[in-house]
Amino acid sequence: GNSVTQMEGPVTLSEEAFLTINCTYTATGYPSLFWYVQYPGEGLQLLLKATKADDKGSNKGFEATYRKETTSFHLEKGSVQVSDSAVYFCALRMIKAAGNKLTFGGGTRVLVKP
Amino acid sequence: EAQVTQNPRYLITVTGKKLTVTCSQNMNHEYMSWYRQDPGLGLRQIYYSMNVEVTDKGDVPEGYKVSRKEKRNFPLILESPSPNQTSLYFCASSIGTNYNSPLHFGNGTRLTVT
Repeated sequence: GNSVTQMEGPVTLSEEAFLTINCTYTATGYPSLFWYVQYPGEGLQLLLKATKADDKGSNKGFEATYRKETTSFHLEKGSVQVSDSAVYFCALRMIKAAGNKLTFGGGTRVLVKP
Repeated sequence: EAQVTQNPRYLITVTGKKLTVTCSQNMNHEYMSWYRQDPGLGLRQIYYSMNVEVTDKGDVPEGYKVSRKEKRNFPLILESPSPNQTSLYFCASSIGTNYNSPLHFGNGTRLTVT
């Protein structure tokens, strides 16, 4: 079946540091790829997405590029802020997924210290 | 404000006592879904609904029921809760059933079954 693997956290950084969260996937076919962010006490919010190979999703200074050859969708941000402290989920969805299901990775907690 | 509202936010109950977690969206979305979030496992789909009176099982439906009598509401019912249903639950909705439609999540319901 389809699956998503993320690096385990927590990831602890200082403000203005560079952030990378690795995400790789296994899928039969060509999925759409997503990054969701969960701030403390809140639900998940869509951060960015990419629907085909070599697409780059970007939002709020975060970027991720859909790499079909390495089946990866790594999340990056050049200079993090304390407000970026959250849990980040990588997810995929197939075109004909039963129930429009998103398949999530286990989440990576990021803590940014001042 | 466009939102998905879940109630209650926190619930502690005992084994076997029936409970309902409500979910309501005000965006006229066709698609609604329930997920549970467990540490290291990400989110897993419990049930989904493509439209009114249309519901189907996700990956982990055992021990749960749902109904979709109206477009805006999608309650999750636990007829006889057990401790392994202790989890963080999220309701989500999207405007359509297209695989690119972004999901909007509620703020979650943390359930503890003793």
